[in-house]
Amino acid sequence: SQQGEEDPQALSIQEGENATMNCSYKTSINNLQWYRQNSGRGLVHLILIRSNEREKHSGRLRVTLDTSKKSSSLLITASRAADTASYFCATVLNTGGFKTIFGAGTRLFVKA
Amino acid sequence: DGGITQSPKYLFRKEGQNVTLSCEQNLNHDAMYWYRQDPGQGLRLIYYSQIVNDFQKGDIAEGYSVSREKKESFPLTVTSAQKNPTAFYLCASSPKDRGGPGGGYTFGSGTRLTVV
Repeated sequence: SQQGEEDPQALSIQEGENATMNCSYKTSINNLQWYRQNSGRGLVHLILIRSNEREKHSGRLRVTLDTSKKSSSLLITASRAADTASYFCATVLNTGGFKTIFGAGTRLFVKA
Repeated sequence: DGGITQSPKYLFRKEGQNVTLSCEQNLNHDAMYWYRQDPGQGLRLIYYSQIVNDFQKGDIAEGYSVSREKKESFPLTVTSAQKNPTAFYLCASSPKDRGGPGGGYTFGSGTRLTVV
């Protein structure tokens, strides 16, 4: 698997349900970030979690980080049709310089 | 409002032609980046710049060139040497410390380049 690989590749749920996306990585990180991308648009930063943090919340978003398993999850609670987008994790490596690796993303479709 | 502006939104290039994509930010960010996005793939880094008049190659710099003459501007030229330029190009910026309290990248809305 690649650094910053999301799972599943695609997810389809009903409005009101929770959506969980996972991100796995291989090498030590400084922090991990989640982004949303609506079709044909740029990425929007959602949340950043540092390597010494285990959980962060922002509105309906909950991110967890397990550095022992080298994985993170993004939970969107009570999903809405407007949450339909692709979600990417970005791992910022624990090295000098600007080495950030983006995964291929999870495409979320929320049915009204 | 602060942000990043990319132009044009759509660009068509003929074979053998160089084209330049514009990226301007008013966020006072030190660092700027160019990414390429292909369908179903993650973003791949083309070039980045941490300071004016300095830039470094990313993972896929061949066939591209950049300049950073002003803090606000980081144009990308797709040269005729880039054999497969059709893609979605994203410009981003960040404070120098990407992992800081205000960490994270701010992205423009992208330019879709198509070879005709």
